[in-house]
Amino acid sequence: DVKVTQSSRYLVKRTGEKVFLECVQDMDHENMFWYRQDPGLGLRLIYFSYDVKMKEKGDIPEGYSVSREKKERFSLILESASTNQTSMYLCASGGLGGLHQPQHFGDGTRLSIL
Amino acid sequence: AQKVTQAQTEISVVEKEDVTLDCVYETRDTTYYLFWYKQPPSGELVFLIRRNSFDEQNEISGRYSWNFQKSTSSFNFTITASQVVDSAVYFCALSEGSTGFQKLVFGTGTRLLVSP
Repeated sequence: DVKVTQSSRYLVKRTGEKVFLECVQDMDHENMFWYRQDPGLGLRLIYFSYDVKMKEKGDIPEGYSVSREKKERFSLILESASTNQTSMYLCASGGLGGLHQPQHFGDGTRLSIL
Repeated sequence: AQKVTQAQTEISVVEKEDVTLDCVYETRDTTYYLFWYKQPPSGELVFLIRRNSFDEQNEISGRYSWNFQKSTSSFNFTITASQVVDSAVYFCALSEGSTGFQKLVFGTGTRLLVSP
């Protein structure tokens, strides 16, 4: 089974802090994704990566950056956290092969910015 | 633009009732995939099913069944004889490939509450 592990289930940070969310997958997948989930809005794509050191903006990249130094690890960075970034963050990975590949998700990190 | 609509925000049923979750999508692509995911209270999204745009056969897996109709751009999900363990948020998603990369566009989800 694919395992996607997010470093924290719950995280509380203060406004202005630099926040790192870590994600590791164990299936040698090329593609990795970061989403945020908010009530009434579903999942929205922040960034994704299709290879080491490669990244692409998703639908809501503002206020975020990402890092992919190793294939199995994809980090989401909040450069200067703000209260409107309080949300559930979900990481996913998926293999090459096109549109039919399902994405496999981690348990999520519930982030609160005070 | 790609869009997925799940008009039902929340559905409450009593155990053993049948329930259908609606999903309507919009796309200009001729080749696309549709997915259903389940998110139990633990938070992890669990992949349930995938259907490609050329395969309109309905699918049944145990108590779960899916009805794909291109004519109405719908991909509905039915749970027969619901159980308390079916309580979760269910997401429908569309695989978008216009950029050359696989991206999923999600609906806003339907929360299903099954009471004993």
